[in-house]
Amino acid sequence: NAGVTQTPKFQVLKTGQSMTLQCAQDMNHNSMYWYRQDPGMGLRLIYYSASEGTTDKGEVPNGYNVSRLNKREFSLRLESAAPSQTSVYFCATNVRGAYEQYFGPGTRLTVT
Amino acid sequence: AQSVAQPEDQVNVAEGNPLTVKCTYSVSGNPYLFWYVQYPNRGLQFLLKYITGDNLVKGSYGFEAEFNKSQTSFHLKKPSALVSDSALYFCAVRDFKAGGTSYGKLTFGQGTILTVHP
Repeated sequence: NAGVTQTPKFQVLKTGQSMTLQCAQDMNHNSMYWYRQDPGMGLRLIYYSASEGTTDKGEVPNGYNVSRLNKREFSLRLESAAPSQTSVYFCATNVRGAYEQYFGPGTRLTVT
Repeated sequence: AQSVAQPEDQVNVAEGNPLTVKCTYSVSGNPYLFWYVQYPNRGLQFLLKYITGDNLVKGSYGFEAEFNKSQTSFHLKKPSALVSDSALYFCAVRDFKAGGTSYGKLTFGQGTILTVHP
């Protein structure tokens, strides 16, 4: 039982390159979330998926797209990376009816 | 809109002394409140939550938090700090309104670095 896993752990991109961050959970949770963490700003919600087949924008969605591939997997795509997207990205999940979220270990992304 | 404030960027305490990490919130409905801890290069770990009921909530690793509705606060406390408690702590809130959805979007504070000195 791995909980929430994220790949890759680290990534360096050049401006304009694209990449997909992967998140998978084995807890059979309905809802999944993508956050970014920047110093002094806490965590900000990028996109979320309340259930399989649905996705919605969060607080800072510009420059990102998401796919809820199935109940287990929720990916975050950067189509054309910018230095402002340098951050640590966290995936989180929770089960319907429960309120706390469970976080993955994060992906540290640097865009040069 | 919901918001969370952690007024102290950093808290320093000596090992064995009590610690408090402050959090205030703003919601339009009833608040669901959470504390998370983050160790270096790790994801966030859930510590405790207040949903309803007793204003004093107990959580993992000996931490507790007190919900104060009149002061809109949810301060994290521990009677005797350990060096191993040194980490980044986040308070989070979810605004619950009757008839709202259940997917639980959280709003996080900016975090407080807790340093416990030997």
